[in-house]
Amino acid sequence: EAGVAQSPRYKIIEKRQSVAFWCNPISGHATLYWYQQILGQGPKLLIQFQNNGVVDDSQLPKDRFSAERLKGVDSTLKIQPAKLEDSAVYLCASSHGHQASYEQYFGPGTRLTVT
Amino acid sequence: SQQGEEDPQALSIQEGENATMNCSYKTSINNLQWYRQNSGRGLVHLILIRSNEREKHSGRLRVTLDTSKKSSSLLITASRAADTASYFCATAKAAGNKLTFGGGTRVLVKP
Repeated sequence: EAGVAQSPRYKIIEKRQSVAFWCNPISGHATLYWYQQILGQGPKLLIQFQNNGVVDDSQLPKDRFSAERLKGVDSTLKIQPAKLEDSAVYLCASSHGHQASYEQYFGPGTRLTVT
Repeated sequence: SQQGEEDPQALSIQEGENATMNCSYKTSINNLQWYRQNSGRGLVHLILIRSNEREKHSGRLRVTLDTSKKSSSLLITASRAADTASYFCATAKAAGNKLTFGGGTRVLVKP
């Protein structure tokens, strides 16, 4: 079974620029998550989708971050404009459903450096 | 804010020794999960223990959960160099599957 795919793997941008990350979840997984992991910390959930609807975006900085999952499969996370504190690894994960017992499968992440 | 807090933050052991790390959390949970992260394979799910379970085993891993103390422990027996990684606990509440991760324990297994 193919895992969660993410691209790009690395991205370096200057502050105030914009950037977009792409995620393709495991086939058949209805729930998709975006996490932000700052160096030395655990991942923090930014947004959770169930099919193409948002379940939880309470920790998404909506003034600069946006995410979509238009057809309920692939998802894109965008930052515009980026700040220095956005430097982190952005992880995408997927699971069969949104019930608490479902295991989440993580992609390799995109490492973003904002200079 | 992070729900789980791991202890210790870092651990260095010799190959063959056991490694134990602890996780404390603050609110009621549906389950608690342990993940491993290294540079080569990203974040990998290790084991899930439900709130009505007290102990669970998977290979060389043993997890305990004490809901009265809001704490969990992960034991890795007979450690190997390949176990070198960061280990995170994550809690899931009853509603939804939102995981709240702790800060992690960095484990170094020396050959």
